[in-house]
Amino acid sequence: NAGVTQTPKFQVLKTGQSMTLQCAQDMNHEYMSWYRQDPGMGLRLIHYSVGAGITDQGEVPNGYNVSRSTTEDFPLRLLSAAPSQTSVYFCASSYSWESGGPTDTQYFGPGTRLTVL
Amino acid sequence: GEDVEQSLFLSVREGDSSVINCTYTDSSSTYLYWYKQEPGAGLQLLTYIFSNMDMKQDQRLTVLLNKKDKHLSLRIADTQTGDSAIYFCAVQGGGADGLTFGKGTHLIIQP
Repeated sequence: NAGVTQTPKFQVLKTGQSMTLQCAQDMNHEYMSWYRQDPGMGLRLIHYSVGAGITDQGEVPNGYNVSRSTTEDFPLRLLSAAPSQTSVYFCASSYSWESGGPTDTQYFGPGTRLTVL
Repeated sequence: GEDVEQSLFLSVREGDSSVINCTYTDSSSTYLYWYKQEPGAGLQLLTYIFSNMDMKQDQRLTVLLNKKDKHLSLRIADTQTGDSAIYFCAVQGGGADGLTFGKGTHLIIQP
């Protein structure tokens, strides 16, 4: 298993440009999520999905769109990049999300470091 | 919503024990996690504890949970230079809205 993979590793954008951060997992996990990590802020949830075709907003969803057409993939779209979106983005997945058991444990990808000029 | 607090820095001497502390607010939290992040890398799951447990030991790692005080700690025995990283406490509240993370504790190892 490759686990959770993310591409690209690094990206520089100009203000107003759009792009898609890719996330894929090969563990047949139902739950997938996107977080952003900013210095001194910890990780904050952007969007999440509990299965193909189902997505919902997290704590900081503005400026981002997601879709989940397959179980494996959960791309994050920046529609019009802003300097405030400069951050490190992590994708995570888990087998379940409300079992109250260890299958809720989330596994993280290596991250995408995004700079918006 | 849930709030998770950690100290930002901890400095220890190589070979000593490190104790990283975390407090949280939501008493209905089910699972509590410790993740490790090395420089430039993603988050690595270190260990977790279920809310009905008081302690969990895994080799050099000991997790203690005081549910009454909503206090979680991670003890690393015989701290080595390879333990230098940021350690995140994270709390699973149940439901689909993911984990709530603390801001992370930078563990600094002195020779």
